Amino acid sequence: QMKLVESGGGVVQPGRSLRLSCAASGFTFSSDAMHWVRQAPGKGLEWVAVISYDGNKKYYADSVKGRFTISRDNSKNTLHLQMNSLRPEDAAIYYCARDYSNFYYGMDVWGQGTTVTVSS
Amino acid sequence: DIQMTQSPSSLSASVGDTVTITCRASQTISTYLNWYQQKPGKAPKLLIYAASTLHSGVPSRFSGSGSGKDFTLTISSLQPEDLATYYCQQSYTSPEMFTFGPGTKVEIK
Repeated sequence: QMKLVESGGGVVQPGRSLRLSCAASGFTFSSDAMHWVRQAPGKGLEWVAVISYDGNKKYYADSVKGRFTISRDNSKNTLHLQMNSLRPEDAAIYYCARDYSNFYYGMDVWGQGTTVTVSS
Repeated sequence: DIQMTQSPSSLSASVGDTVTITCRASQTISTYLNWYQQKPGKAPKLLIYAASTLHSGVPSRFSGSGSGKDFTLTISSLQPEDLATYYCQQSYTSPEMFTFGPGTKVEIK
């Protein structure tokens, strides 16, 4: 079955960096755009970034633009999120999700999430 | 930027009731509107895309409607397993921006 498994979360000090990964299986990873979505404790969902199937197009939420970088390795069926200059407000559960169809029809496969805590 | 609002922010209903959640966009988004269900402690699940198309495997008691700025998610015959927070999300400005609504928490009386 289609599966996404995130890893790389943890506790990090403000200003430091962290790299999240998302391992995909059960579908043709190289054919699908992929998203990162986060959820701060007790809060709603916030879209973070999306990358096209081939990695050539990348888009970011204003809140992370210039600090976060989304990337993918289609040979390893893996999605990444490099997070630099982390702030307390970046603390959240980070989910990777598959784009259902051409960016318009939502996200149909989600991982279980990985937790990022930003604290001194 | 397109802002999404949802009402109510929470509701409590009995098993078997019909529940309606409203989502409004700050500008017209045609039918580029998706709905998700997030159960406590779990990842979200796609329920409905393109405003009214039921995603595969989603029970038929869920339905969506609307276009332009105003959309509704209806749960007919509410079940105990429908306890969750429901989010709308616009994809009109994709791929540059995707915006979620603030969520509606559905509780069972």
